[in-house]
Amino acid sequence: NAGVTQTPKFRILKIGQSMTLQCTQDMNHNYMYWYRQDPGMGLKLIYYSVGAGITDKGEVPNGYNVSRSTTEDFPLRLELAAPSQTSVYFCASSYSQSTEAFFGQGTRLTVV
Amino acid sequence: AQSVAQPEDQVNVAEGNPLTVKCTYSVSGNPYLFWYVQYPNRGLQFLLKYITGDNLVKGSYGFEAEFNKSQTSFHLKKPSALVSDSALYFCAVRVMNSGYSTLTFGKGTMLLVSP
Repeated sequence: NAGVTQTPKFRILKIGQSMTLQCTQDMNHNYMYWYRQDPGMGLKLIYYSVGAGITDKGEVPNGYNVSRSTTEDFPLRLELAAPSQTSVYFCASSYSQSTEAFFGQGTRLTVV
Repeated sequence: AQSVAQPEDQVNVAEGNPLTVKCTYSVSGNPYLFWYVQYPNRGLQFLLKYITGDNLVKGSYGFEAEFNKSQTSFHLKKPSALVSDSALYFCAVRVMNSGYSTLTFGKGTMLLVSP
C-alpha cells in the first residue's frame, strides 16, 4: 500500500521562486492536511481539507495556497519563496476526525 | 483554543528500564488524544489514541498511555525500553464537537535509550 506520497523529497529554491509540493493518497480519505515542521517547534498546520473542493486555513497559511480538486490529491503552492519558508513539509490524511492521520515522508525545502 | 504541552525536550532512559513521556492538554470540551513517533528523516507514525472508554490505552510496539481527565494528562509509557525506541515523540489533541476541529501537536520529546 502506498499510503500518502509526497514529491519531491528535497528541493532548494531561490528567494522569489515558486513551486508546488505534491501530495496524493490512495486510502480514499476525506481529510487531508499540510504541516510544516521546524526544529523545536513541533508541527504547525498550514492548510487542511475536509473533502474535494473544500479547503481552509490552518495556523500558518501566509505565503501558501492549496487546492483539492480530487479526493486523492492535495497540492501545496508556494508563490514567492522566502527564507522563512525553509522547513520540512508533511502532508497527511485521515478518514475522520477520530481516526489517526497517516503522514507522508516529508519534503525538505531550503530557500536561499 | 486547544493546546498541548510536552514539558520535556528530552528524556533519557537505560535499556530495560521503564519510560514515561509526558503530555498535558487544554481543550474546551472532550478531547481526542494521539501519540505519534518520528524516526530520523521519516514522517510521523501513529502509536495509539484515546477517544472514549478505558483510560488505559494500548498501542503499537508495547507502548501504552493513560488518560487522566482530572490532571488533563495523557502520558506515554512503556514497561521496558529498547534502544530502537529512540526517536522523537509527539502528543496531539483535537476536541470532539459537531463541527471540524484541527489536530494540534506538542513540540515533541526526544527519547534517547542507552544500551
